[in-house]
Amino acid sequence: QLVLTQSPSASASLGASVKLTCTLSSGHSSYAIAWHQQQPEKGPRYLMKLNSDGSHSKGDGIPDRFSGSSSGAERYLTISSLQSEDEADYYCQTWGTGGVFGGGTKLTVL
Amino acid sequence: QLQLQESGSGLVKPSQTLSLTCAVSGGSISSGGYSWSWIRQPPGKGLEWIGYIYHSGSTYYNPSLKSRVTISVDRSKNQFSLKLSSVTAADTAVYYCARGYQLLIDYWGQGTLVTVSS
Repeated sequence: QLVLTQSPSASASLGASVKLTCTLSSGHSSYAIAWHQQQPEKGPRYLMKLNSDGSHSKGDGIPDRFSGSSSGAERYLTISSLQSEDEADYYCQTWGTGGVFGGGTKLTVL
Repeated sequence: QLQLQESGSGLVKPSQTLSLTCAVSGGSISSGGYSWSWIRQPPGKGLEWIGYIYHSGSTYYNPSLKSRVTISVDRSKNQFSLKLSSVTAADTAVYYCARGYQLLIDYWGQGTLVTVSS
């Protein structure tokens, strides 16, 4: 069964960088995923599609501060030069026998 | 730019049917290669995929909801719809419509809160 695993929380300081991880379950390391951001009291926003080779394509208007990379079954979202508005929940998403979401990582900007 | 907008009843009584519509603008719902999904988020919880309808008309439903869900498309109005029958309080959530390319979501609606209560 395809499962996406995310750490429940992460924190980093204003202006610093943070790397969030989404781990694909065993046997699914070739899958592409999408990263989505959900700011407080708002709907999700598509950030990027991330392939197994680390190539990624970002959504409309997504700043260069957001980038993606991959290693094996791990998919990463790196946010550099953290700003206060980056404080949000971040979800990874893919497709197996059905739509699959990770549990989300709540990012706190200190 | 593509935009999706949910509409429908914000309050549904238990055992009744929840009905929502997603109006698509800035693009055609009949364009090949895209899926049109419904996703929900209970208060304070994560995202749950309800199902999708493909541009061809084929559908996929979350097995846990399959017996109660119908997703349909109205190409003349460039919109798609969700019906969820026999609702209970557990169906209270913000409901989102979304577009997917190769089944990865790339556009979201803003969401609409549906409360199930008598």
